[in-house]
Amino acid sequence: QQPVQSPQAVILREGEDAVINCSSSKALYSVHWYRQKHGEAPVFLMILLKGGEQKGHEKISASFNEKKQQSSLYLTASQLSYSGTYFCGTAPYGGATNKLIFGTGTLLAVQP
Amino acid sequence: GAGVSQSPSNKVTEKGKDVELRCDPISGHTALYWYRQSLGQGLEFLIYFQGNSAPDKSGLPSDRFSAERTGGSVSTLTIQRTQQEDSAVYLCASSLAPGTTQYFGPGTRLLVL
Repeated sequence: QQPVQSPQAVILREGEDAVINCSSSKALYSVHWYRQKHGEAPVFLMILLKGGEQKGHEKISASFNEKKQQSSLYLTASQLSYSGTYFCGTAPYGGATNKLIFGTGTLLAVQP
Repeated sequence: GAGVSQSPSNKVTEKGKDVELRCDPISGHTALYWYRQSLGQGLEFLIYFQGNSAPDKSGLPSDRFSAERTGGSVSTLTIQRTQQEDSAVYLCASSLAPGTTQYFGPGTRLLVL
C-alpha cells in the first residue's frame, strides 16, 4: 500500500534537472509532496488533486496522472537549496483522504 | 503566526520506562496527526485526530502506544514500557481541515537505551 518512489537517491550538479516519481498500487485522490532537510521537519511543497492536474512552484513543478496512479516531481535548474529528501504522501481514492501514506523518500544531493 | 511546536526536542530514556511527547498544533487547525520516522526511513502514520470525532488509531504499532488530544488542541503521545525499537523521531502535524496541507513540527528525537 505504501507508494514506491524512484529513484531512491540522485546526485546533481547545480543547474541540472531531476525527476522524482511516486507510484501507487491504488487509485489516488491526491498526492502531497514534501521536502525534508537533514534534522528538520518536512516542509510542504504542493498538493495535486484527482483530475490529472499539474502545478508549479518556482522551478519545481509536478504532475499527477491518475490513470497511471503516478505523480512526478520535476526540479529544473537545481539549486544547492534543493538538497534534501523528497517524500510523496498519497490519499487513496474512495478512502480516507485525511490520512496520508508516505513513500520511502528520494534523497537528492545538489553539488556545486 | 506560530507553527507546530513539540516538546521535548530530545528525549533519552531507559528501556521499560514510560515517556510522554507533547504537540501544540497551529491555532485553529482541527486536524492533528502523529507520525514516526525511524533512521533513514519514511514517515509512518500513527494516529489522527479530527475535531471531537473518535481518533483514527489504525497506525499505532502496539497497545503500549496511546494518544489523547485535550480541548481539541494540545496532544500527548504516550509510550509505555519503552523498547529499543521505539527509538525514532516522532513528528506531529496539523492541518486546517482533513485532507489539506499538513504542517509539521520539528519532532521529538527519542532514544531508548
